[in-house]
Amino acid sequence: DTAVSQTPKYLVTQMGNDKSIKCEQNLGHDTMYWYKQDSKKFLKIMFSYNNKELIINETVPNRFSPKSPDKAHLNLHINSLELGDSAVYFCASSQPGTATEAFFGQGTRLTVV
Amino acid sequence: SQQGEEDPQALSIQEGENATMNCSYKTSINNLQWYRQNSGRGLVHLILIRSNEREKHSGRLRVTLDTSKKSSSLLITASRAADTASYFCATDHTGGFKTIFGAGTRLFVKA
Repeated sequence: DTAVSQTPKYLVTQMGNDKSIKCEQNLGHDTMYWYKQDSKKFLKIMFSYNNKELIINETVPNRFSPKSPDKAHLNLHINSLELGDSAVYFCASSQPGTATEAFFGQGTRLTVV
Repeated sequence: SQQGEEDPQALSIQEGENATMNCSYKTSINNLQWYRQNSGRGLVHLILIRSNEREKHSGRLRVTLDTSKKSSSLLITASRAADTASYFCATDHTGGFKTIFGAGTRLFVKA
């Protein structure tokens, strides 16, 4: 069983389009995240949700809108895609506390052309 | 920025040698974690060390933490070609709601 799964794995789209990436975790964790990894492998946190509530929003453009219908799902919708949005997006989950190991999905490689 | 910084950025060694990667961070932490990322894959958790611990072992991995210097090191002993990957340190400042990653060390182990 895949602990954190995200779809699609690859996404190629034109500038200006709107796209969504879905994420689901079956670990029973309360916290879910979206990270963006750029071409230099730098991993930057975008959002953190705890029990469906937004906890962290790291000054991400409002073209990015996360939605958490329940604590097992955290989807990412991106409006008006730009070339600079091209990156690998990772979903992750963890259980808050003192030993906060994060479990990552396999990533979605987004290419904006 | 509260990010950790890994050193070196890249490391190339022969199979059987030890690999040491260092991480520095800026603010007080609850814990520090190390992750591995194989090419084209997600990150996999390797080991977590709490702020009140100084050293931890897991198989061929040894992690140290010096909170006075705000630094940590990851030692991989008797490296194998399969250890080739990027290694990231990550720090937690908020009890699990915001894990911040460093830029990573790319390790290449030659067979």
